[in-house]
Amino acid sequence: GQNIDQPTEMTATEGAIVQINCTYQTSGFNGLFWYQQHAGEAPTFLSYNVLDGLEEKGRFSSFLSRSKGYSYLLLKELQMKDSASYLCAVRDLDNFNKFYFGSGTKLNVKP
Amino acid sequence: NAGVTQTPKFRVLKTGQSMTLLCAQDMNHEYMYWYRQDPGMGLRLIHYSVGEGTTAKGEVPDGYNVSRLKKQNFLLGLESAAPSQTSVYFCASIQLAGGEGEQFFGPGTRLTVL
Repeated sequence: GQNIDQPTEMTATEGAIVQINCTYQTSGFNGLFWYQQHAGEAPTFLSYNVLDGLEEKGRFSSFLSRSKGYSYLLLKELQMKDSASYLCAVRDLDNFNKFYFGSGTKLNVKP
Repeated sequence: NAGVTQTPKFRVLKTGQSMTLLCAQDMNHEYMYWYRQDPGMGLRLIHYSVGEGTTAKGEVPDGYNVSRLKKQNFLLGLESAAPSQTSVYFCASIQLAGGEGEQFFGPGTRLTVL
């Protein structure tokens, strides 16, 4: 199985930069995913990392360090619409079909 | 394309009643998943399927059964509902487990068991 930890809640100001961390302890790892979930809605895919380093997609970037079991999602130029929960998920090495999710980090963006 | 759809969107059951949740996808995806989401616990995998006619257990399968008779549909059954099964249920699908493995989620079914 997997043990995935994320902060429960964070608050940041519109226009600022925020970093959401995710740590995992795993018996086997084959990729880390970030999803965004607005209240009352379904999760939507943001990013995927399987190798160490930074992946950039517009205002969002995701970083992975496999040796440290650590990832972060970086959101730049925060907008009010970025207020949502951000879910970290790990794919099982032994079973490509299984994904394990963290509890999610609720991000509040204030004016 | 409708993507992933779920039926019903809301349901209230009494303890001991049964029901079936339907998930349908029109993207010709091989893999389909049922998750439940509870406050503070994130998404937990109930059952999943790697293709038509196949099913497998996830992290929390007890009290649920599934069937994948057609590639596009994945059904989740509750034979005898319990209050502990009050949750939001999400269905998801992916084309292949390799590569990016982006999951596409349905809108969710909000189930309350009294």
